[in-house]
Amino acid sequence: QSVLTQPPSASGTPGQRVTISCSGSSSNIGSNTVNWYQQLPGTAPKLLIYSNNQRPSGVPDRFSGSKSGTSASLAISGLQSEDEADYYCAAWDDSLNAFYVFGTGTKVTVL
Amino acid sequence: EVQLVESGGGLVKPGGSLRLSCAASGFTFSNAWMSWVRQAPGKGLEWVGRIKSKTDGGTTDYAAPVKGRFTISRDDSKNTLYLQMNSLKTEDTAVYYCTTESGSPDAFDIWGQGTMVTVSS
Repeated sequence: QSVLTQPPSASGTPGQRVTISCSGSSSNIGSNTVNWYQQLPGTAPKLLIYSNNQRPSGVPDRFSGSKSGTSASLAISGLQSEDEADYYCAAWDDSLNAFYVFGTGTKVTVL
Repeated sequence: EVQLVESGGGLVKPGGSLRLSCAASGFTFSNAWMSWVRQAPGKGLEWVGRIKSKTDGGTTDYAAPVKGRFTISRDDSKNTLYLQMNSLKTEDTAVYYCTTESGSPDAFDIWGQGTMVTVSS
């Protein structure tokens, strides 16, 4: 079961800004960096953001991440149709038997 | 080209066993800490476990739902990661991905395409 909580859905029209929240605890987000993954339908996840706010090579700067305390957020600026996907936050967890935890996932729909 | 290719998935009865493989290429496999992540149909991502590099001890860690039933191992001479799954349950039905961190610290930036495991009578 996921220990990071995300809203199940988010939506916007092309060009809009969409923000996804991720709520955790002191043992995960509160003490480790946050990563974000994008999963297009029928494909493997892809790393979108690492170390709270860093983008891997090739990820457009429309995607940005931030973290504060035990919460994090992903923002998509200038929403495009190809951004329609599932998004997951994740972090290492320092509590017993938790290790790496994913968020519940957010489905982003481009209207 | 950096690549991970899983194989070995299929249909198995509850209580049965299955071994998944993940062939790595394009990076120094022996130095990599490798993980397995699964995704049940229509559900979210779940970390299954990991194995450290032999240089870092080669130890394994598992998520609570699979601890004692699943075993992760590696053959660095073959650049291959394994997941031995025993005492399978219907709730183990999922796509299983192998993954690792390459250039992004503490994050999984290389993923395989996944292999489907179905546990059903």
